[in-house]
This record gives sequence, structure tokens and C-alpha cells, in this order.
Amino acid sequence: NAGVTQTPKFQVLKTGQSMTLQCAQDMNHNSMYWYRQDPGMGLRLIYYSASEGTTDKGEVPNGYNVSRLNKREFSLRLESAAPSQTSVYFCASSEAWNGYTFGSGTRLTVV
Amino acid sequence: AQSVTQLDSQVPVFEEAPVELRCNYSSSVSVYLFWYVQYPNQGLQLLLKYLSGSTLVKGINGFEAEFNKSQTSFHLRKPSVHISDTAEYFCAVSVRAAGNKLTFGGGTRVLVKP
Repeated sequence: NAGVTQTPKFQVLKTGQSMTLQCAQDMNHNSMYWYRQDPGMGLRLIYYSASEGTTDKGEVPNGYNVSRLNKREFSLRLESAAPSQTSVYFCASSEAWNGYTFGSGTRLTVV
Repeated sequence: AQSVTQLDSQVPVFEEAPVELRCNYSSSVSVYLFWYVQYPNQGLQLLLKYLSGSTLVKGINGFEAEFNKSQTSFHLRKPSVHISDTAEYFCAVSVRAAGNKLTFGGGTRVLVKP
């Protein structure tokens, strides 16, 4: 099925460990995004990529890095995980103003 | 910078009753407006969007929303809810001059009771 695929779905990390969240879309969208969702705070933008080869910081970029590997793939890396990064992470893609297509999320717990 | 306020964090409603979810935004420039729904343990799905034209926008699953520029609001309504409408609903705004980045409200959790 066409859409946005995120891996893994669940992850538990120890403080200080690193990991990469993977995201791929097969809709040929130019723009891709990483958001985190925390209770009562809605979704907050971490990083986005308006097109292949470009990335920009969003509202809460500290502690994260991203790579737009090609048009399909946009990964999010936590270099040294902290308990404050416990959250649900969503990847999304879009084309023009048609709205976002979201992945099913990665539930990350940092202990 | 733009911001979005969803005035109700939770809305309990009986099955077949109407529901209204309130959303207000702040922006000094023209905006695009969206409503998304999130069912438990899933990603977000687009319900409807306002880009231009008619201020009454119809979406999927019988939902509609009305853009009110003077009140900077974009309230979501459904005349008769079903148990399956139990979910969290997010209002979001995008500023036309700032690319396609969305700013989300805090969400409204709708619980439909039989």
C-alpha cells in the first residue's frame, strides 16, 4: 500500500545510547517531516526537508540530527538519548498544500 | 510565528448527538487550515482542509468545518457522532509564506458514549 513507512515501531533505549529512526515514502513527495507527540502538546516539528538535499530545523531540534538520503528516505538520529526524548515520533510527507501523509509512528522510551 | 489553540482537551458526547470542536489560531498573515484525526495507536489522517474559497469545508466521515477570518477560528462539527468517532482530533495551521510546515494544536480527545 502506498504511504509512509516508519521503523522501528517500538524502541527502548538507555540514557546515552544512540539510534536512528527510519522513514520512507513511496508517493514521490518532495517534502518530508519529523514530529514528536507528547501528551497535551500536540505534535511539534523537529526537522523538515522541503526537497531532496535540503534540511532545516523545526521547533524542537536540539538533540536530534536528520539525513535526507534520497527523495524517498528521511532518517532521524538521536546521538545520545535522554529521558526527555521519550515520546512518539511521526514521520510525514507532503506535496504542495494537499496535507500530510503520516506514518504509524515510533514509540520511544529512554530509561 | 503562528500558534493554534484547541479550547477543549476532552469532549464527552453521546452517540448520535452533535459535536463541535473549537480551534483558534493566531497569525498575522494568510493561512491554510487543517483538521486531522488520530485513532488509538495510529498515525494521523487528514479530515479536511481549508485553502481558499468557500469558508464551509466538508471532509470525510461527515465532518465539516467553518473558517471565520474575523474570529481567527476553524471549528469542526459533526451533526451526529458514532462510537467509531472516538479519537483525538488535531487542528493545524500553515502560513502560506513559510512553506508547508504545519503547527498543531494540543488536540481534543473525543469520547463517544453509547
